[in-house]
Amino acid sequence: GEDVEQSLFLSVREGDSSVINCTYTDSSSTYLYWYKQEPGAGLQLLTYIFSNMDMKQDQRLTVLLNKKDKHLSLRIADTQTGDSAIYFCAESPSGTYKYIFGTGTRLKVLA
Amino acid sequence: NAGVMQNPRHLVRRRGQEARLRCSPMKGHSHVYWYRQLPEEGLKFMVYLQKENIIDESGMPKERFSAEFPKEGPSILRIQQVVRGDSAAYFCASSSTGRDTQYFGPGTRLTVL
Repeated sequence: GEDVEQSLFLSVREGDSSVINCTYTDSSSTYLYWYKQEPGAGLQLLTYIFSNMDMKQDQRLTVLLNKKDKHLSLRIADTQTGDSAIYFCAESPSGTYKYIFGTGTRLKVLA
Repeated sequence: NAGVMQNPRHLVRRRGQEARLRCSPMKGHSHVYWYRQLPEEGLKFMVYLQKENIIDESGMPKERFSAEFPKEGPSILRIQQVVRGDSAAYFCASSSTGRDTQYFGPGTRLTVL
């Protein structure tokens, strides 16, 4: 199937690290993406990882990729209240143009 | 450096009316994608277009929905005879080559009364 799975909710305290997990379906996916959506807004590209990488770090964001298990995670260090949003992972299967999105994880940061 | 633009941002229609959603891709991008987000769900691919061509419409409902991307002007997603189930956020994305990163617009939120 084409279901990209994410847990629906995550709640963390300000200053802690957040880890958002995603299981994708297509082992041929060349790129995997993380997008952030704030209430009533569009999708903001946060970061992406190429499938031949295990890890990518970009300031407070760390992406880990486990190709064997088709598991992707996004770690946000020193989480702030402004990080409260819905986070979507997306895969881009080889040979197609479309992105397949997960259902989104709603991150709530408690002050 | 304008990003992907969509208008209107909010659209209200009564059942049976037509909805027209517009998308202007980023400057230099000639590949456009439309996605639909139903309440509390992720985005679902609808259609992929290049200038004057529909490349992949595998995600488009068979009836009432159509899309175009003319040589001049924005891409249009048209929904005829809207029903309540069409209420959703419709996002447009664009890319430079068709194989690279897609950048999303702010979306059009359609409400059907």
